[in-house]
Amino acid sequence: DVKVTQSSRYLVKRTGEKVFLECVQDMDHENMFWYRQDPGLGLRLIYFSYDVKMKEKGDIPEGYSVSREKKERFSLILESASTNQTSMYLCASRTGGGDTEAFFGQGTRLTVV
Amino acid sequence: DAKTTQPPSMDCAEGRAANLPCNHSTISGNEYVYWYRQIHSQGPQYIIHGLKNNETNEMASLIITEDRKSSTLILPHATLRDTAVYYCIVRVASNAGNMLTFGGGTRLMVKP
Repeated sequence: DVKVTQSSRYLVKRTGEKVFLECVQDMDHENMFWYRQDPGLGLRLIYFSYDVKMKEKGDIPEGYSVSREKKERFSLILESASTNQTSMYLCASRTGGGDTEAFFGQGTRLTVV
Repeated sequence: DAKTTQPPSMDCAEGRAANLPCNHSTISGNEYVYWYRQIHSQGPQYIIHGLKNNETNEMASLIITEDRKSSTLILPHATLRDTAVYYCIVRVASNAGNMLTFGGGTRLMVKP
């Protein structure tokens, strides 16, 4: 069974804290993605990575950074958490070529207080 | 990048076919149409995808018009478990990432 695992299902952090969201996939996929999902806004792409140590900005990268030191792990970092970063965060991975499907993790619901 | 337009919500009676439309009038020749769904509090789940031919798998059928400007996802016998938000996506090809861009989706409510 293919699997994308996010380290936490629920997280509560304080404003100004540095927050790490971890994602691990066991499918040897080249591409990994971080999205956030908010009511009425659908899924919005924050960052993606197409190879180890490679990263690209998505639609809403401000306030976030990412790290891909190993192929199976893609971390999303909130340098200084703010209340407007309260959201559901979803990680996904897919293989590199053509018309392949993406696999999603269960999501991390982050609340910043 | 091709964008998609879907109705925000639809109802369907349990056991009947659910037909979910999607417009993608600016789709380009090498872009695929994907469908995902998201059941409450879970991550999105892949359903089906196609380029220009109709496709069928164990979950659904995908009908793409000849001009490729629209498509319809068909769940042949909807069950209560099919209640979810359904996303129609046109795959954005880039030099790097093959990323997916999600719009608002259609909230399908299957009613007993």
